[in-house]
Amino acid sequence: AQKITQTQPGMFVQEKEAVTLDCTYDTSDQSYGLFWYKQPSSGEMIFLIYQGSYDEQNATEGRYSLNFQKARKSANLVISASQLGDSAMYFCAMREAFTGTASKLTFGTGTRLQVTL
Amino acid sequence: DAGVIQSPRHEVTEMGQEVTLRCKPISGHNSLFWYRQTMMRGLELLIYFNNNVPIDDSGMPEDRFSAKMPNASFSTLKIQPSEPRDSAVYFCASSLRRQTNTGELFFGEGSRLTVL
Repeated sequence: AQKITQTQPGMFVQEKEAVTLDCTYDTSDQSYGLFWYKQPSSGEMIFLIYQGSYDEQNATEGRYSLNFQKARKSANLVISASQLGDSAMYFCAMREAFTGTASKLTFGTGTRLQVTL
Repeated sequence: DAGVIQSPRHEVTEMGQEVTLRCKPISGHNSLFWYRQTMMRGLELLIYFNNNVPIDDSGMPEDRFSAKMPNASFSTLKIQPSEPRDSAVYFCASSLRRQTNTGELFFGEGSRLTVL
């Protein structure tokens, strides 16, 4: 079973509009972390935002916010006031086994966002 | 501050040849990860190390793949012999995993491997 599901292979949004990228996850752990990364066409992976499973507040980082709904096991990324430079692939990832000194990230298949004029 | 440094950035080789990819993690980071990215399979974790010790290599496709981390500042991923289906972008990432931080992964720019 997929641990991270991103159901939107591609999305379009007009410049200055807000967009929501969906992510659902599957875990039996009580303690876990959720991440979003951006991959522009140049190929590098850029960390955007993090949400811990015990965090009561939704995470925010500038124009990025994470709409965390624990009961629904969803961690959607909201980008406000989209810019042309936001055009990229976006990956949702989960880290299980929160305790411990090293634990891997499992990535979803990604959503390609295209910002238009 | 220097990020994760990978070399080579691009490698083109012929089937059957040995390929060695190199990674220098961020100084002070205690975990290192090798991922492979392809269109068909997305981002797959191959292996990760904690304090230079391999923790989980269940993602390594087969015996042709091997990875080492002889010290805290260097890791290699070797493919011998290489096959066309190994063509992919190979990412190295490092993190500092403590209770008080998120432990996000910092990625290198990737090594694009093409096996003809």
